Amino acid sequence: KAGVTQTPRYLIKTRGQQVTLSCSPISGHRSVSWYQQTPGQGLQFLFEYFSETQRNKGNFPGRFSGRQFSNSRSEMNVSTLELGDSALYLCASSLSAGANVLTFGAGSRLTVL
Amino acid sequence: AQSVTQLGSHVSVSEGALVLLRCNYSSSVPPYLFWYVQYPNQGLQLLLKYTSAATLVKGINGFEAEFKKSETSFHLTKPSAHMSDAAEYFCAVSAAGGGNKLTFGTGTQLKVEL
Repeated sequence: KAGVTQTPRYLIKTRGQQVTLSCSPISGHRSVSWYQQTPGQGLQFLFEYFSETQRNKGNFPGRFSGRQFSNSRSEMNVSTLELGDSALYLCASSLSAGANVLTFGAGSRLTVL
Repeated sequence: AQSVTQLGSHVSVSEGALVLLRCNYSSSVPPYLFWYVQYPNQGLQLLLKYTSAATLVKGINGFEAEFKKSETSFHLTKPSAHMSDAAEYFCAVSAAGGGNKLTFGTGTQLKVEL
């Protein structure tokens, strides 16, 4: 059974650019959550999607957005990148919203120069 | 709002010794509590989960945690440390009905020495 797949694993961008990260959940999982991990702020919740609808949103500016497709795959987008957006972005999938047992992917490491 | 505090950002133990990683939670309602482990360049792996069914929760790799409401604690223990346990450990909390929005502690880096 394939795990949570995140692409790309590593990427480098410059300030002002935008980036799109992709997450394919475990087959059958319908909920996808995104987290940002940085040395300074630790692990912070970005948003959660279930059945193509955003269910929860963390305290991040509007530059951070996401969506979920009918096959449960999810993407997150960060526009107008800032140096502080450099982080490991982790995607987690779950059978349903509120199932609370999250399976995490290996993450996408974004470096903003 | 829920929060968790992990005491000790770095813990060092000898191989074969007891592992004790501390976590205290703050929640106005009975929470769900979790311990996750993260190995270098990897995502997080669930060790165990508390959902009020039993106060002593057994997880994978010989880890367990005890929910103590009176102390608002959920400390993680393992009787005998192994070199492969060296990793970063995160305590997390979510509110019942809060979906998959977890609030994580700042993490504890466990070092296991020979």
